[in-house]
Amino acid sequence: GAVVSQHPSWVICKSGTSVKIECRSLDFQATTMFWYRQFPKQSLMLMATSNEGSKATYEQGVEKDKFLINHASLTLSTLTVTSAHPEDSSFYICSANPDNSNTGELFFGEGSRLTVL
Amino acid sequence: GDSVTQMEGPVTLSEEAFLTINCTYTATGYPSLFWYVQYPGEGLQLLLKATKADDKGSNKGFEATYRKETTSFHLEKGSVQVSDSAVYFCALRSYTNAGKSTFGDGTTLTVKP
Repeated sequence: GAVVSQHPSWVICKSGTSVKIECRSLDFQATTMFWYRQFPKQSLMLMATSNEGSKATYEQGVEKDKFLINHASLTLSTLTVTSAHPEDSSFYICSANPDNSNTGELFFGEGSRLTVL
Repeated sequence: GDSVTQMEGPVTLSEEAFLTINCTYTATGYPSLFWYVQYPGEGLQLLLKATKADDKGSNKGFEATYRKETTSFHLEKGSVQVSDSAVYFCALRSYTNAGKSTFGDGTTLTVKP
């Protein structure tokens, strides 16, 4: 089946630094990928839709200058948390829908746990 | 807009008990419906899906039927196992909503031996 890989799985950083999280589709192409944030014992909050070759579309209330998204190729999207602060600590998950799929099924990465000290 | 309402948890069952997790939705158009499962510390995995009315999705003993008349997609399993302990998310995806998926709040299932 289709596989989406996220890296790193977990990261600890100091306040004020920037952290990059990668999301790769390993065996399919995805023009569109999605980035979510998940708080403990809560559902997924869609942050933005990442579009290959164009700017990401951010959900209301998500700071685009804070959460930089770059969809460099049909298999890679990156989320950079800039000037991270403790309140940015969370579980970040990406998903992708294969370009050749007509079922709407999403494939999720393993998630990346960010802890900002 | 689109929305998904899931049965509130947590749900605690004994092994071999019958499981039902209710899910209802509102959406424009004809969405595809999904159940995803999340194990601790991991991302989500697709459990089953249904793309049109009256379709039944099934996987690993779990089933859910796309009921357009009641706008429901309830998850069922006849005999749960300890290994089924996880968080279950009901979701829909509608191309009238820019292809975004809408998730329920998740239901935590704990199965005790």
